[in-house]
Amino acid sequence: DAMVIQNPRYQVTQFGKPVTLSCSQTLNHNVMYWYQQKSSQAPKLLFHYYDKDFNNEADTPDNFQSRRPNTSFCFLDIRSPGLGDAAMYLCATSRDKGDTQYFGPGTRLTVL
Amino acid sequence: GENVEQHPSTLSVQEGDSAVIKCTYSDSASNYFPWYKQELGKGPQLIIDIRSNVGEKKDQRIAVTLNKTAKHFSLHITETQPEDSAVYFCAAIRSNFGNEKLTFGTGTRLTIIP
Repeated sequence: DAMVIQNPRYQVTQFGKPVTLSCSQTLNHNVMYWYQQKSSQAPKLLFHYYDKDFNNEADTPDNFQSRRPNTSFCFLDIRSPGLGDAAMYLCATSRDKGDTQYFGPGTRLTVL
Repeated sequence: GENVEQHPSTLSVQEGDSAVIKCTYSDSASNYFPWYKQELGKGPQLIIDIRSNVGEKKDQRIAVTLNKTAKHFSLHITETQPEDSAVYFCAAIRSNFGNEKLTFGTGTRLTIIP
């Protein structure tokens, strides 16, 4: 089945230790999104790629970076995780801007 | 920007009864309204959506209604089952406007009581 895959499902890192989360898709969608979701809250958009064009949300901290080496893969890099960065990180894709977004299962990040 | 309000924040329903979740939006140019179901520890799953040229859409036990004049839309689940227990998010977007982002409601935790 075509789908959005996230690895790992659970990630534990230490305060200040860089971490990379991975997303891949078999939908061949043009747009890939990264969201942060904290407990009992709605997903919050961090940034998205439309093809190779990177679009950062104004309130996304500089600590968060992203790479999209090809259509299928997108990475979220957290350069120096703080305790406040512990959250569920969700990857989503859509065929084009404004189209239906399909979410992956998420990566639960714990910062010790 | 768009603002989406969602009510109620929690809802408990006897198994077999109906559940209704309501959302209002502020941007009259919003034209696409998806609903997502999120089970504990999982990503949001699209369950139904509606576009602004339609007033109602139904898929088995799930239906969504849209009132563009009043700027509100609702999710209706009939004959509820225990597996319907989850957090439900409504969302809105102006889908023809390039970089417009999906605006979510605050979520409704639905509990089905056996």
